[in-house]
Amino acid sequence: KQEVTQIPAALSVPEGENLVLNCSFTDSAIYNLQWFRQDPGKGLTSLLLIQSSQREQTSGRLNASLDKSSGRSTLYIAASQPGDSATYLCAVPTSGTYKYIFGTGTRLKVLA
Amino acid sequence: GAGVSQSPSNKVTEKGKDVELRCDPISGHTALYWYRQRLGQGLEFLIYFQGNSAPDKSGLPSDRFSAERTGESVSTLTIQRTQQEDSAVYLCASSLFRTSGSSYNEQFFGPGTRLTVL
Repeated sequence: KQEVTQIPAALSVPEGENLVLNCSFTDSAIYNLQWFRQDPGKGLTSLLLIQSSQREQTSGRLNASLDKSSGRSTLYIAASQPGDSATYLCAVPTSGTYKYIFGTGTRLKVLA
Repeated sequence: GAGVSQSPSNKVTEKGKDVELRCDPISGHTALYWYRQRLGQGLEFLIYFQGNSAPDKSGLPSDRFSAERTGESVSTLTIQRTQQEDSAVYLCASSLFRTSGSSYNEQFFGPGTRLTVL
């Protein structure tokens, strides 16, 4: 059974800091891993998708890495800004299916 | 182009009534997902549709929940005899389904329907 854990649960940093969010999963037989952000009262916005054959993906100030063998992914945010404040979620499918399991998220607050 | 849309955005109902929630996926997306998010909690998978294949219903919490999808278009999630514990935001997502390419199976979410059962 796929289980997804995100650490830390909450994070508060001053503007400009570089930071790392962690996602770990128990079943490494995954097709891909996806990172999202969720703003309060809103739906989810896709940030990055990493296929199982890839080791990392970059979009602007965001970089996500994937280590399938150890069941880990990290989301790196460079030069954080107050607009980055949101909850960040990772999601992976259960082995052999497209049933996605979400972590409980990291609640990020970037202080101006 | 247009993203995933859901209606209604908010629904307040009385315990015991039936409700229908609607999802319009991105045009051309063959895969469609429903999730539930209770207040302060993570997303729970409910059901997955892919083309004409049998849906994966393994996440539906009880037989009061059902979902349908017409071809590769609109989906409706129906909750019968609603209970207070059904109060949550119901989120729909769609994706292309491919076996190769850099962005296959990337999920795009709608804004959700907030259901309140009194």
